[in-house]
This record gives sequence, C-alpha cells and structure tokens, in this order.
Amino acid sequence: NAGVMQNPRHLVRRRGQEARLRCSPVKGHSHVYWYRQLPEEGLKFMVYLQKENIIDESGMPKERFSAEFPKEGPSILRIQQVVRGDSAAYFCASSPLGMAADTQYFGPGTRLTVL
Amino acid sequence: SQQGEEDPQALSIQEGENATMNCSYKTSINNLQWYRQNSGRGLVHLILIRSNEREKHSGRLRVTLDTSKKSSSLLITASRAADTASYFCATDNSGGSNYKLTFGKGTLLTVNP
Repeated sequence: NAGVMQNPRHLVRRRGQEARLRCSPVKGHSHVYWYRQLPEEGLKFMVYLQKENIIDESGMPKERFSAEFPKEGPSILRIQQVVRGDSAAYFCASSPLGMAADTQYFGPGTRLTVL
Repeated sequence: SQQGEEDPQALSIQEGENATMNCSYKTSINNLQWYRQNSGRGLVHLILIRSNEREKHSGRLRVTLDTSKKSSSLLITASRAADTASYFCATDNSGGSNYKLTFGKGTLLTVNP
C-alpha cells in the first residue's frame, strides 16, 4: 500500500542550476498537487495537475517554474536557474478526486537547498 | 490573520495531559482538515471535518468546528511523547478553488516524558 513517493528527498543545487523534483502519486490517484513550505511556515499551494493537464498553476511563480504530470510516469516540478530563495521543502499530494471532500495524501517532501 | 491560522504557536505539556490547539480561518469552507508533521518529515492526515459537522472523533483526537466563528479546535487526549510534532489545519475555500488547501503556520507541540 504505497503512499505518495517523492524523490530525491534532499537536493542541493548551486545558483543557476536546474532542480527536478519527482512525485509518484498513490496508485489510482489521478490528481496531483504541489506545495512549497518555507522554514517556520505552513504549506503554500503551487499547482494542481491531472494527467496531462495543468488545472491550476496560480500559486506557482510564472518564471523559472514548471510542472507536468504525463500520461505515464511521475509528476515533475522543474525549477530552472535556481536562486537561494527557492530553498524550501516541496511537497506533493495526491487524491483520487479533485474535490473539496477529497483528502489529499502527502509525500515526504523534497528538501531543496540552493547554495 | 491569515486563512488557517493556528494558535498557540508552541505548546509544551507533560505526557498524559491533554493538548488543545486552535485554528481560525477567514473564508467560507467546505471542509477543514488537520495534519501532523514530524520534524523534517511529510504531513500525515489526521482528520477531516465537514462544514455541516460540529464535532468529530478519531481515537484520542477530537475536532470541533464552529463555522459561525470560523474556528476549529483539535484536542489530543492522554498525550504521548510520540505526539510531539507540528500540527496544521488546512482549509479549502467554498467560494473558490476548493481543491486548494490553505495551511497556517502550525502549532509546535512538545510532549515531555
């Protein structure tokens, strides 16, 4: 009964490099959400995807950040030309239905450190 | 205050005591959820309470919801050292994108053995 899986768990990048974060949802879940958590803060919504579609990316910076959830394979959050302010924990969640009554199950997160 | 704001920010109690955490929010909601996060780990879903419910129990957890005051409380009874964690409430927005959860900064609970 595998839950949401994320890798890598820790990622270190130098300024200007690219970061790719992967998320495999719970088997059978077709709705994926990405959140970012800055130190001492709560999680902030970034993007909501269904298979092959971005439903809502209103919480994601318009530049350097992109997300995808292909038909096959994990969801990917990609950060280009990282800056120190991108250092945070990035959490992926999944749900079977994209509805308010639906519990979102979270992965363990990827902790990104930008040097 | 922001949507889904918890108080107190930190709570320290002795094992066996009860812990109560509160959450306030601003918008109308469909549901409110409580999550636990151990240090450096992911979030574990604890309980979901719907807007038409006033109280819900799950094991040692008791959640109340007062939509007129836009507030919720999480009570952990007979606390254990293993309950030490940060606790977050998360709300949706019934007037907007209801899949988008808004989290507060959390309450850091320390249960001393």
